[in-house]
Amino acid sequence: DGGITQSPKYLFRKEGQNVTLSCEQNLNHDAMYWYRQDPGQGLRLIYYSQIVNDFQKGDIAEGYSVSREKKESFPLTVTSAQKNPTAFYLCASKGTGAYEQYFGPGTRLTVT
Amino acid sequence: AQRVTQPEKLLSVFKGAPVELKCNYSYSGSPELFWYVQYSRQRLQLLLRHISRESIKGFTADLNKGETSFHLKKPFAQEEDSAMYYCALRGNNFNKFYFGSGTKLNVKP
Repeated sequence: DGGITQSPKYLFRKEGQNVTLSCEQNLNHDAMYWYRQDPGQGLRLIYYSQIVNDFQKGDIAEGYSVSREKKESFPLTVTSAQKNPTAFYLCASKGTGAYEQYFGPGTRLTVT
Repeated sequence: AQRVTQPEKLLSVFKGAPVELKCNYSYSGSPELFWYVQYSRQRLQLLLRHISRESIKGFTADLNKGETSFHLKKPFAQEEDSAMYYCALRGNNFNKFYFGSGTKLNVKP
């Protein structure tokens, strides 16, 4: 493993608080992704970034925000506007012209 | 709209039995299809890609454009095949992927 890391592994927050999930990669990949994984719903794309300082909304972007100031980093902020934030969050990256996504180990966020 | 459908949430087979995990898609152009696998306590990883037409760990998948399907098959399932399997599609935007809801394969001894 290695290459793409997510921290922390488990995260607990109170309702109404914003929380930021970390994703770092040292694979020199241009594209990075955030997915949400819920039982029975598979992976749903939240945001993706094809290059530094650029990102696009995925299918479920509401209540989330991202930044891509560095090639290596793509943090995801889960805001208080996200109605159902408790989930498993996966980060991935992909090289330019490549087809394979490399996934991180995930962060399980619990909001109570 | 792009869509990937995996109709089975759970598939249980006995060791040595054939297995087929179904995947259907809807896409107006020529998509690229993939299977990803997540073993227990491991990361999600690519299993195979339709263009390469390889057999990986005994699994094969053929893209059937007429039926818009990309079913994953293995003639003799092994216990170590037990995992979560996701079908994924990539369209004209080479950087955007659509995943199905996943099928959990349980191979019983």
